[in-house]
Amino acid sequence: IAGITQAPTSQILAAGRRMTLRCTQDMRHNAMYWYRQDLGLGLRLIHYSNTAGTTGKGEVPDGYSVSRANTDDFPLTLASAVPSQTSVYFCASSDGGGGTEAFFGQGTRLTVV
Amino acid sequence: GQNIDQPTEMTATEGAIVQINCTYQTSGFNGLFWYQQHAGEAPTFLSYNVLDGLEEKGRFSSFLSRSKGYSYLLLKELQMKDSASYLCAVRDSNYQLIWGAGTKLIIKP
Repeated sequence: IAGITQAPTSQILAAGRRMTLRCTQDMRHNAMYWYRQDLGLGLRLIHYSNTAGTTGKGEVPDGYSVSRANTDDFPLTLASAVPSQTSVYFCASSDGGGGTEAFFGQGTRLTVV
Repeated sequence: GQNIDQPTEMTATEGAIVQINCTYQTSGFNGLFWYQQHAGEAPTFLSYNVLDGLEEKGRFSSFLSRSKGYSYLLLKELQMKDSASYLCAVRDSNYQLIWGAGTKLIIKP
């Protein structure tokens, strides 16, 4: 199925635990993004990658890390989860050009307790 | 700082027309996007404006005025399935998307 897939769909995580959210796309898009979405706030960019092998920090990168070993995969890791990281996380991808839209995964609902 | 403003919530009647406004202040401008997001789902692309004027796509139209830092999304012939949040986003000088908090649109019969 063409598109962008995230796993898991939802997760309850104990504070202090390490967690990796997975994201895979099969559209051969160069750019990939991780956002978090919290009630009353817009989507906030955590990290991004303009092409395989490169990553950059977004608006709210603290406590998160990413890697981009290949075009298709862009995992997001929480090294030591804290309750403030409770959120819905969206992975997205785009061709990277100025006028091209971003395609989103279905989201991961993460609760840190 | 960078800022995108949209109303938090709007209510409209099935079959009517509604206009959702978006004002922005960003470091540079490389296009404005509108997305639709149903509750519990991912955002999906609706429209893109980079030049001033109106872009029409079926029941949905989007307008841009770069000099005023203003856009609106116009939804005609509203249907119950249009109940969703509508997100305005601007691509800044670094080609990153800056997002508004979204407008929750409630459609009543």
